[in-house]
Amino acid sequence: EPEVTQTPSHQVTQMGQEVILRCVPISNHLYFYWYRQILGQKVEFLVSFYNNEISEKSEIFDDQFSVERPDGSNFTLKIRSTKLEDSAMYFCASSESGAAGAIQAFFGQGTRLTVV
Amino acid sequence: AQSVAQPEDQVNVAEGNPLTVKCTYSVSGNPYLFWYVQYPNRGLQFLLKYITGDNLVKGSYGFEAEFNKSQTSFHLKKPSALVSDSALYFCAVRDLTGANNLFFGTGTRLTVIP
Repeated sequence: EPEVTQTPSHQVTQMGQEVILRCVPISNHLYFYWYRQILGQKVEFLVSFYNNEISEKSEIFDDQFSVERPDGSNFTLKIRSTKLEDSAMYFCASSESGAAGAIQAFFGQGTRLTVV
Repeated sequence: AQSVAQPEDQVNVAEGNPLTVKCTYSVSGNPYLFWYVQYPNRGLQFLLKYITGDNLVKGSYGFEAEFNKSQTSFHLKKPSALVSDSALYFCAVRDLTGANNLFFGTGTRLTVIP
């Protein structure tokens, strides 16, 4: 069964450092997403990406965040200068379609980011 | 604005008993509703969805959910719980305004006691 894979599973970084979280979406999917979950809180939408550009982003997704699809398989989330409050579980997801809303997203296992 | 509420952080149920995990939603129009499950060290796995049609939808692993428009609820149910059902369950909603993202609840941890 195809699945979304994320690396690394856990990343520890010092405050102010840049981190890149990596995701390999399901190969025939066209829509890609990043969500995050701060410990004990709800899963929050960060950004969606389609046709090599951001299609939607939340208020959380400010200038310190960026996404990229550097090649045909990877989808990355970069946090430029990490803050303590960026510590969270980050989930990547992909879906075949976004427009209908009826197609479910498939999620990766998450990357736990700890900023110290 | 869209939102989802899961009023219970924790649900405990004995193996073999029916289980219910509650979810209520708020959207401006008609909702698309989803349930996801997260097992330890795994990603969010899709369980089932309601788009339109029958209010009772059936999903993976014997789970079902009932859409109740008047109560704005979408409770997850299973007639007979298994120990292996122990996991974290998330309800999510997507509205019909064209936004592609999901709005999640805070999650409910289900523990099935042998």
